[in-house]
Order: sequence, then C-alpha cells, then structure tokens
Amino acid sequence: QVQLQESGPGLVKPSQTLSLNCTVSGYSITNDDYFWSWIRQPPGKGLEWIGYIHHSGSAYYSPSLKSRLSMSVDSSRGLFSLRLYSLTAADTAIYYCVRCLSRNWFAPWGQGTLVTVSS
Amino acid sequence: EILMTQSPATLSVSPGESATLSCRASQSVSSNLAWYQQRPGQAPRLLIYNTSTRPTGIPPRFSGSGFGTEFTLAISSLQSEDFAVYYCQQYDDWVFTFGPGTKVDIK
Repeated sequence: QVQLQESGPGLVKPSQTLSLNCTVSGYSITNDDYFWSWIRQPPGKGLEWIGYIHHSGSAYYSPSLKSRLSMSVDSSRGLFSLRLYSLTAADTAIYYCVRCLSRNWFAPWGQGTLVTVSS
Repeated sequence: EILMTQSPATLSVSPGESATLSCRASQSVSSNLAWYQQRPGQAPRLLIYNTSTRPTGIPPRFSGSGFGTEFTLAISSLQSEDFAVYYCQQYDDWVFTFGPGTKVDIK
C-alpha cells in the first residue's frame, strides 16, 4: 500500500526558502507511469496545484509559482522534494505531496504539513 | 488556464437523502475530470476519475457524469461520513486546476 509522508519546518520567515521532503513507501518512485506532485491549501480555502516531477527529472511547475519553485527526486532514497523561494504570508498553507498517474488525477495524498510564513 | 467553478457553494442535505453537485469548466476538458472528497481535518481523497470511474474502495452511491464543460457528482442516500467538501479537478490542460469546492453539510 503506497503511503506518502511530508516532512519539513512548520514555521518559516518571510523572504526565506521553504524546503519540504516527501517520503514514498510501499511503492517504487521509479515507476514510469507516475509523477510526484505537490498541492497546497491555504487555511480554510481551496486546493492549488504547485507542480510535479517524474523520476527521470522532468518537472512541470504552475506558471504562477514557476519563478520561485524547484523540485527534485532522490530515487535511491525514495523521496522527492520541493523548494519554494522568497516566501510571503500568502504562501502559508497545508502542503500535500501526492502521487499523480500519468499526469492525470491525484491519489493517494499525504496527510499534509502546515507551513506558516511569519516573522 | 482553465477556470473551474462549482455550485452550489454549500448544500444542506438530510442523512439518507441524495445530493447533486455541479462543476463547470471555462472550456472543454473532454472527460478529463476528477472529483475529490475532503472530510474535516483530513487530506482529500480521490472519488471519481475520467468523469465517471470509481477507484477501488469507493462506494457505488457516488456517481459522476458529464462531458466537455458540464459535470455532475451525484451522491445517493447520504451517510454521516459523506458530509464533507467536494472538489472537482481538470487534467485536460497541463496546468491542473481545481474548483472552489462544494460543502455538503447536515440539514
């Protein structure tokens, strides 16, 4: 049974960089059919797709975040990562890591990690 | 970017009754639409993909229909665990977008 688990800081200062990891268990991150994605949800609001990455290194980012975003995959450790630069309060959200089949739908989801941007 | 809208924003339903949720796309997404359920304090979970296909483990009281720009999620005989927020998501365009959600609460 595939499981995803986010890890990273819960509090980050404005203008700093957010680094999150997602550890995948019960499934190989090198399966060619899947992309590994990040989705966020500001408290009390809706879902926003951030981007996804394939184990080959191919990555696709939301145009609204592309200039501040970087993703990577570490296949040997079964994890993928997100780096979001120049944070503002608007980046405060629950960040979910999610498996994406063939760049289509998302399942399963990690439990999510709340990131607060505040001084 | 394809804009997704959902209606109503909130739907009040009594347990055992049925509910119909709507999702609209700003341009055709063919059948490339999924639905997710998010219970309070939990991560979303996939309910429907390809407009009408239920993943393993999703009860048959959930059904999806539609094509192009108009889609519907129907829930028959609502159970207590069905009171949640439901989101639609298109994957026709490479920039994935979600609707704002419909909250189904207890009447």
